[in-house]
Amino acid sequence: DAGITQSPRHKVTETGTPVTLRCHQTENHRYMYWYRQDPGHGLRLIHYSYGVKDTDKGEVSDGYSVSRSKTEDFLLTLESATSSQTSVYFCATGQDDSYEQYFGPGTRLTVT
Amino acid sequence: GENVEQHPSTLSVQEGDSAVIKCTYSDSASNYFPWYKQELGKGPQLIIDIRSNVGEKKDQRIAVTLNKTAKHFSLHITETQPEDSAVYFCAASYGGGSNYKLTFGKGTLLTVNP
Repeated sequence: DAGITQSPRHKVTETGTPVTLRCHQTENHRYMYWYRQDPGHGLRLIHYSYGVKDTDKGEVSDGYSVSRSKTEDFLLTLESATSSQTSVYFCATGQDDSYEQYFGPGTRLTVT
Repeated sequence: GENVEQHPSTLSVQEGDSAVIKCTYSDSASNYFPWYKQELGKGPQLIIDIRSNVGEKKDQRIAVTLNKTAKHFSLHITETQPEDSAVYFCAASYGGGSNYKLTFGKGTLLTVNP
């Protein structure tokens, strides 16, 4: 798993509350990605980072923000959680000059 | 952007049979095509990949073929075993330059019956 951990692994929260998910890697990979996985939709890119403080939007970025203050950590924030954000969230990392991505174990988020 | 279609969505085979999963992509600039295996409750794991300058790649019981003209690629698993049961995802690169992004298919649930 390329030394990737995600925390928390499970979370239940209420609509309207802020939520932050953390991805931590020990591989010194330059690229980091946040995906969500929903039945019938596969994996969809939310945001990604190509370096410290360098981030960009993916295809489903509305309602999410990210931050990367150091190489090993990539945070995903839901400013005001909605039920449509109930999903399994995966972090992935990738080395420079490579499309290969390595996934973490995932975080199951339920918004009630 | 890139669009990846994956078929079938479910596939059931008998142990020892072969399994084939197919994907098509839309962006002719895509040049990297990985396959991931996801077991229940775990993150996707890269099992094999192919680049656009290669037509076929094998790794023991799994192989991937690529037809750039037709813009489709396939995963072949021979002599299937119960432990091959999982969800398989194909993906294609997009973005170019330094944007190493992947677009994923919706997945195929493979069940290998003993």
